[in-house]
Amino acid sequence: TVLTQSPATLSVSPGDRATLSCRASGTVSSNLAWYQQTPGQPPRLLIYGASTRATGIPARFSGSGSVTEFTLTISSLQSEDFGVYYCQQYGDWPTFGQGTKVEIK
Amino acid sequence: QVQLVESGGGLVKPGGSLRLSCAASGFTFSDYYMSWIRQAPGKGLEWISYISTASDKISYAGSVRGRFTISRDNTKNSLFLQMNSLSAEDTAIYYCARDVENYYGPGNYYAAVFDVWGQGAVVTVSS
Repeated sequence: TVLTQSPATLSVSPGDRATLSCRASGTVSSNLAWYQQTPGQPPRLLIYGASTRATGIPARFSGSGSVTEFTLTISSLQSEDFGVYYCQQYGDWPTFGQGTKVEIK
Repeated sequence: QVQLVESGGGLVKPGGSLRLSCAASGFTFSDYYMSWIRQAPGKGLEWISYISTASDKISYAGSVRGRFTISRDNTKNSLFLQMNSLSAEDTAIYYCARDVENYYGPGNYYAAVFDVWGQGAVVTVSS
């Protein structure tokens, strides 16, 4: 299953809302996760089951969607939120999207 | 705290071999399936292999099948990846990760979410 993330780059001001999209080439039901990666760090699990926050993840991160269309929303961007975000499907052998870079506007 | 620490990365010539290790701590290692995931320079993430708790179920991505071997030692809380016949396309950061929400789907595919990641081991294949 191929995952296509959009946009490739998102320029956002601190305090603004960010909306990231992930589209699957086939149905994955709700088997979709989101990860955050900051420079020099491994990915960090944010969301699984399309909308369940992982342990310790702030409430400003929320996920939605099902079947083939998914969204990650960051309600009010903090300085530590800038980085690359990947979606990953687990409705089949695991695959990742190519990432969306969230940068400071 | 829950932690994974990889070791064994380095520079290797094309056609060479390397063995990565991943030391787990802070959780009951033997209770979890584990995976290796890699990230080529400036690229995205690629899942490459998983191993079950008892090492009786293993699978690989097509890009590494027949060249890489995953294994584990539950008595030493350790995960391993033996990499043979390396090429430049294998140059990447290799992460070990803990599998959760994992299941087998119709047709025996394996699916999982990765909730804990190591810092990564850098593997460079170059002459």
